[in-house]
Amino acid sequence: QVQLQESGPRLVKPSETVSLTCFVSGDSFFKSPYYWTWIRQVPGQGLEWIGSVYYRDSTAYNPSLKGRVSISMDPSESQLSLKLSSVTAADTAMYYCVRAQPEGLFHRWGQGTLVTVSS
Amino acid sequence: DIQVTQSPSSLSASVGDRVTLTCRASQSIDHYLNWYQQKPGKAPDLLIFTASDLESGVPSRFSGSGSGTDFTLTISSLQPEDSAIYFCQQSYSAPFNFGQGTKLEIE
Repeated sequence: QVQLQESGPRLVKPSETVSLTCFVSGDSFFKSPYYWTWIRQVPGQGLEWIGSVYYRDSTAYNPSLKGRVSISMDPSESQLSLKLSSVTAADTAMYYCVRAQPEGLFHRWGQGTLVTVSS
Repeated sequence: DIQVTQSPSSLSASVGDRVTLTCRASQSIDHYLNWYQQKPGKAPDLLIFTASDLESGVPSRFSGSGSGTDFTLTISSLQPEDSAIYFCQQSYSAPFNFGQGTKLEIE
């Protein structure tokens, strides 16, 4: 069955861009009709949908992130990517890679990667 | 944006109890409401989708109901392993917001 593994820097400075990667295994990443999604969770708090990509080039983002986010997929590498620019302490969170179908139904989650924004 | 509000924020109950958690949407979302269980240090797991459909592998003591704006998650006979935070989430329209969670503790 599908497995998702997030990776990326654990510590990022304010105003920088954080880039996260999710490696997808056990699934036909490119052909599958799923929405590949990023969700984050501030420690001890709730969950926030960041956005998703569908069939490589159809994307949707949470307006709350005000254009700071970009999600893309590289089928040749079976990887999903997240870039979040101009980060602040409010972006400190656990970031999860998630497979969804339909778009808003989150069936399969990675274990998450914790990103801390601090100088 | 559609907001979802859960109640109570925390709950303590005994093994064998019947427990009901509530979720309310800020506008009608038909039956597009999902429930997740999150245990400490783990990612959330999908329990119930489209209000009342049980995800594969989830014990039958979990059930969901509701439509429109008001929804419930019921655990018919609470087990020790049900101690967790439960989140509801609307999948009616983006952004797909989550409730703030209900922390369920076993007495």
